Amino acid sequence: DAKTTQPNSMESNEEEPVHLPCNHSTISGTDYIHWYRQLPSQGPEYVIHGLTSNVNNRMASLAIAEDRKSSTLILHRATLRDAAVYYCILFDGNKLVFGAGTILRVKS
Amino acid sequence: DVKVTQSSRYLVKRTGEKVFLECVQDMDHENMFWYRQDPGLGLRLIYFSYDVKMKEKGDIPEGYSVSREKKERFSLILESASTNQTSMYLCASSLDRGSEKLFFGSGTQLSVL
Repeated sequence: DAKTTQPNSMESNEEEPVHLPCNHSTISGTDYIHWYRQLPSQGPEYVIHGLTSNVNNRMASLAIAEDRKSSTLILHRATLRDAAVYYCILFDGNKLVFGAGTILRVKS
Repeated sequence: DVKVTQSSRYLVKRTGEKVFLECVQDMDHENMFWYRQDPGLGLRLIYFSYDVKMKEKGDIPEGYSVSREKKERFSLILESASTNQTSMYLCASSLDRGSEKLFFGSGTQLSVL
């Protein structure tokens, strides 16, 4: 399984944008880049995914590097409810393999 | 909204007991998954199923088995529970093979004493 590398933790101020980085230098041409997040005491929830182009949805934006070896999840205005563990995952069409993720702390 | 329901939020069992963890989804999804989550190790895939009566091993299947007799239900079985199986167990489902979006249940915290 292709691996991803994320910082262990990040901190943000409320109402400010947050950029969560992910490196995936061994990504194959058919791997999709997925992001999930896990709020305290809950199962993970889907955030966004993409293949080559940048993607936007109501939760976040995903910026994918041109060589696809890295990507960034962007939360445009962090709120306290965004405090969670964020997982960057490469999906090969079969199964999702979760790494350790990034713990995002949001300060008021 | 898709709902994935795990039968118990907390479960305490004794070493050697046979343990059943049940998971039900209500959106006619073909795929179902069992993960366990441990501090510092993240989520690890135990077993998954693409169809009724089908199962495939994930990354850590040892000590576990699964059953999928009906499309909506996926059971995880610990034949003889051991203390190293104390963990948070998470069930998930997705629409079909190749579907990227997983829906997770809230988890079952299993303690084996």
